[in-house]
This record gives sequence, C-alpha cells and structure tokens, in this order.
Amino acid sequence: SYGLTQPPSVSVAPGKTASITCGGSNIAKKRVHWYQQKSGQAPVMVIYYDRDRPSGIPERFSGSKSGNTATLTISSVEAGDEADYYCQVWDAARDQTDIFGGGTKLSVL
Amino acid sequence: EVQLVESGGGLVQPGGSLTLSCAASGFTFSRYCMNWVRQVPGKGLVWVAFINRDGTTTKYADSVKDRFTISRDNAMNTVSLQMNRVRSDDTALYYCVQEGRDDYNPYFDSWGQGTLVTVSS
Repeated sequence: SYGLTQPPSVSVAPGKTASITCGGSNIAKKRVHWYQQKSGQAPVMVIYYDRDRPSGIPERFSGSKSGNTATLTISSVEAGDEADYYCQVWDAARDQTDIFGGGTKLSVL
Repeated sequence: EVQLVESGGGLVQPGGSLTLSCAASGFTFSRYCMNWVRQVPGKGLVWVAFINRDGTTTKYADSVKDRFTISRDNAMNTVSLQMNRVRSDDTALYYCVQEGRDDYNPYFDSWGQGTLVTVSS
C-alpha cells in the first residue's frame, strides 16, 4: 500500500491560495496525479506527473513534490473550485490496490 | 471527444449478480487500458478492477477478487464488469475510467458519469 494521506478538509478565502498535501510511502519515486470532484459530478484530472496540467485546466492549478509529500496548489481560489480533491499513485505492475488518497474537501469561505 | 457511458446498475439482492457495461467512443479503444472505480456516496474513490489493452491481463481489488470479472470487447468498444455474489458493501456508484497512455505511471484520463449499484434485500 502507498498509504496516501490527505487532510480531510482545507478552507480558504476567495482570491487566496489553497494547498492540499498528499503524503505516502515511496511516492518520492512515483508520479502523483490529482483529481477534482465537484458535488454530484465525476472526477476530473487536474494534475498528472506531479506537476503537468491537462489541456483546459487553468494555470491556477499547480502541482509539486518534495520527498514523500506531493502538494496541489490552487492560486486565486474561486468559489467554483470548491470540491473534493484526490491524489493517486500507481505503477506498471498494478499490484497495489489502495491507490487513491482519502480525499480533501476544499471549502471556499 | 472521449465519451464513456455506463449502464447496468440497479437494485440487486445480496448474493445476486449484476453486469455493468461501459460504451466507449471518441478514441481508439483498443489502445487504452480500462478500469472500474467505485465510490460510496459521500465517501472516497476506490479502485476496483483493471484490464489491459487486449484483455489478457486483469487485476482486482482484494475486496472483489474471485467475485467480480472485468472483460472487454475491442470490436464493440465496450468494457464490462460482471459482479457475482454481491454484498451490501458493494453498494456504490461505479465509474468506467480510461487510463492515459503511460503504463509506468498510470493515471485516469477520462471518467464516465457512473452507474449506481444498490445491494439490498
């Protein structure tokens, strides 16, 4: 198991910066991916390979990693960013089954 | 545009069976690995099953191993999840998910809208 741990909740005021962390065993050697899930909707990938943004994802979303902790940063937070965010790690063998973090609820105050 | 449309969810009794299907379009289906991920309403994402491009390799979460079977039909662009001996803790929204092209650091590129499975007597 990667043991991916995320804070259950993060709150931020509009216009400020939100940081959501994801810690886990050996993720320093893995690529971390991030998903946004708004209420009642399917997840959408917002960051892959630690820091790359899929097309259509605003530049306000960025990713980084230091050691065994990855961070999703959302700058100039908007009300529409309120959602659950999940980190994910996997490898070619696909033998690990617990591949998602527990999720972080981002609340925009 | 990638589209993944799940079907087959519904109410099933404990111990019963159900087959979920996912119709894929907008991409060359046979070039992508596919997965099922589930989510109990209000809870987190849980990976369930994986199938490789030609269907020769499958992987399962421990909780569904020996009960669920993932399969695909590359001619019909569909992936299925056969669910046998279902339990109440299988109740969840089931997502069909397309992986990205990277086998070494798999990520989930596109998701369907999900189909709800409720296990109850």
